[in-house]
Amino acid sequence: DAGVTQTPRHEVAEKGQTIILKCEPVSGHNDLFWYRQTKIQGLELLSYFRSKSLMEDGGAFKDRFKAEMLNSSFSTLKIQPTEPKDSAVYLCASSLRDIQDTQYFGPGTRLLVL
Amino acid sequence: GDQVEQSPSALSLHEGTGSALRCNFTTTMRAVQWFRKNSRGSLINLFYLASGTKENGRLKSAFDSKERYSTLHIRDAQLEDSGTYFCAAYNMGYKLTFGTGTSLLVDP
Repeated sequence: DAGVTQTPRHEVAEKGQTIILKCEPVSGHNDLFWYRQTKIQGLELLSYFRSKSLMEDGGAFKDRFKAEMLNSSFSTLKIQPTEPKDSAVYLCASSLRDIQDTQYFGPGTRLLVL
Repeated sequence: GDQVEQSPSALSLHEGTGSALRCNFTTTMRAVQWFRKNSRGSLINLFYLASGTKENGRLKSAFDSKERYSTLHIRDAQLEDSGTYFCAAYNMGYKLTFGTGTSLLVDP
C-alpha cells in the first residue's frame, strides 16, 4: 500500500508569496493532519480533518494558513502571505479512525522563505 | 511493534496539589511529545523533547531516551487543567505512537 505522499518535497519562496502544499493520505484512512515541524517547537498541529470535516483550524496559525480537503484522498495547505518565520518542514499525516491512533506521516515538504 | 505505556489511566487531584504522569517505551525513541486533548477532540501540543527537561508554567516534562521513559509533572493544579493528556513518542522514523491517555480531574 502506498503511504502518505506529499508534494513538493522542497519549496523556496520569497516573503509575501502564496504557496500551496499537497498531500494524499493513506487510502482508506479517515483522519488527516497537517503539522509544522521545527527543531525548537517539534511538531505543531496546524489542521485536523475527520472524514473531510475540519476539526481543528490551528488556533494561532489560522490567519495565514488554510488547509482544505477537497475529497477523501487529497488535501492542500495554503500559506498566504509567507513570512521568513514560516520556514520549516510541513508534514501531513493520516490515521485510520482517530487522532490517538497511530499516525502515519508523509516525507514532508521543506519550506524556505527568504 | 513500538509500544507506549502510559500511567495512570485516571488521576484525581485537589486544586493546588500536584502529581506526575509517566510514559514507558518498549524501544528506544528519539523524541517524545505531550499533548492535551481539547474540547473538540484534537490534540494541543504541550511539550516536545528530544532529551532533557522543559518547563512551562506549572508543567514540567522530562525525557530519557536511554532509560526509555518520559514524565509530565503538574504542580499547583487548577480546575482548568482537567482533561485528557497523551504522550506520543517518535521512533527513529516518522511514526508517532501514542500512549493510551490519562484522564485528569481536578476538583475544588
